[in-house]
Amino acid sequence: EAGVAQSPRYKIIEKRQSVAFWCNPISGHATLYWYQQILGQGPKLLIQFQNNGVVDDSQLPKDRFSAERLKGVDSTLKIQPAKLEDSAVYLCASSVRPGTEIFFGPGTRLTVL
Amino acid sequence: SQQGEEDPQALSIQEGENATMNCSYKTSINNLQWYRQNSGRGLVHLILIRSNEREKHSGRLRVTLDTSKKSSSLLITASRAADTASYFCATDAGGGGAQKLVFGQGTRLTINP
Repeated sequence: EAGVAQSPRYKIIEKRQSVAFWCNPISGHATLYWYQQILGQGPKLLIQFQNNGVVDDSQLPKDRFSAERLKGVDSTLKIQPAKLEDSAVYLCASSVRPGTEIFFGPGTRLTVL
Repeated sequence: SQQGEEDPQALSIQEGENATMNCSYKTSINNLQWYRQNSGRGLVHLILIRSNEREKHSGRLRVTLDTSKKSSSLLITASRAADTASYFCATDAGGGGAQKLVFGQGTRLTINP
């Protein structure tokens, strides 16, 4: 069974630039998550989708971050404009449904200069 | 906000010894999950234990959950060099279809050959 796919794996941008990350969850997984992991810390949930609807985006900085999952499968996370403190690993994850095991992708390491 | 707090923050043992990591949390949960993260890699799901369960096993891993003390422990028996990684507990206290998985800061485990 293929895992959660993410791209790109690494991205370096300058502050105030825009960046987008892509995620393809495990086939059949209705629930998709985006997490932010700052170096030395545990992951923090940014947004959770159930199919193509947002279930929880309470910790998403909506002035600069946006995410969509238009067809209930792939998802994109965008940052516009980026700040230095956005440097982190952005992890996409998926599960069959809430309350079950969550499987993580390899992450995208973002460096903002 | 951090829900789970791992203890110790770092642990260094000899190969073959057992490693025990603890996790404490503050609010009622639906389930608790343990993850492993190798340096620079994604999170790997280890075990999910539900709030009505007290103990689960998977290979060399044993997880216990004490909801009265709001704590969990992860035991790795007969440790190997490949077990060197960071270990995170994550608590799911979501409701209404939202799985709010909140991670702790992690325990960095080093297995010395």
